[in-house]
Amino acid sequence: LAKTTQPISMDSYEGQEVNITCSHNNIATNDYITWYQQFPSQGPRFIIQGYKTKVTNEVASLFIPADRKSSTLSLPRVSLSDTAVYYCLVGTGYNQGGKLIFGQGTELSVKP
Amino acid sequence: EAGVAQSPRYKIIEKRQSVAFWCNPISGHATLYWYQQILGQGPKLLIQFQNNGVVDDSQLPKDRFSAERLKGVDSTLKIQPAKLEDSAVYLCASSLGQANNEQFFGPGTRLTVL
Repeated sequence: LAKTTQPISMDSYEGQEVNITCSHNNIATNDYITWYQQFPSQGPRFIIQGYKTKVTNEVASLFIPADRKSSTLSLPRVSLSDTAVYYCLVGTGYNQGGKLIFGQGTELSVKP
Repeated sequence: EAGVAQSPRYKIIEKRQSVAFWCNPISGHATLYWYQQILGQGPKLLIQFQNNGVVDDSQLPKDRFSAERLKGVDSTLKIQPAKLEDSAVYLCASSLGQANNEQFFGPGTRLTVL
C-alpha cells in the first residue's frame, strides 16, 4: 500500500494561491491520486482526482509529474472558507487489490 | 439529491456498554464504508461493503466491533463492549463502485466513552 507524506500544517492569506505537495514514493502503476477536504465536525469531501499530468476542476488543480512520486494540490485565490484539513490519498479500486488510506492530512489556515 | 444520513449525531456511554450506529447511503451506491476518526488523525477504514458483502474488514476489531448491511442498503455498526479508546467520530461513506471512486461522507457520529 502506497504511503503518503504531507506537511502537517500550512498558513496562507486570503487571495493567495496555495500549493500543498504530497509525496508517495511507492505509488503503484494502477494507483490514482485523490484529494479530500475536511471541515471541523464534517465528513471529508472529494476535491479532485488524477492519474498523471494535470487535472483541473472548478475548485482546484492537481499537478502530477511524470514519475508520479509526488503530487501538488493547487488552490487558487484562497478565502477564509478554505481553512480546513486536506488529505492526499493514493490507491486503487478494491477489485484490483487496493484501497484508499487517509494519512494525517495538512491543516491549512487562511488568514485575512 | 439526499446525502449520506447517519444517526445518532452524538452518543455518550460508559465503558463496557454497547452502542450502535446507523447509516443510510446515497440511493444507488453499491459501496459503503465505515471509518473511525480519532481527534487529530485522518479517518481509518474499519469495514467496506460491496452491496451486502464484506470487501475489507482487516482493520475492524472483531472482538468488539461488528457491522452488517442487510439488503445492501442501510448499515449498522455496533460496539460491544465499548472501551475508552473507542471515543472517536464514526463516519459512514458511500460510493457508486470502486474504492477510488468519489466517496460521499455523512456527518458522522461523535462517540464519547466515559
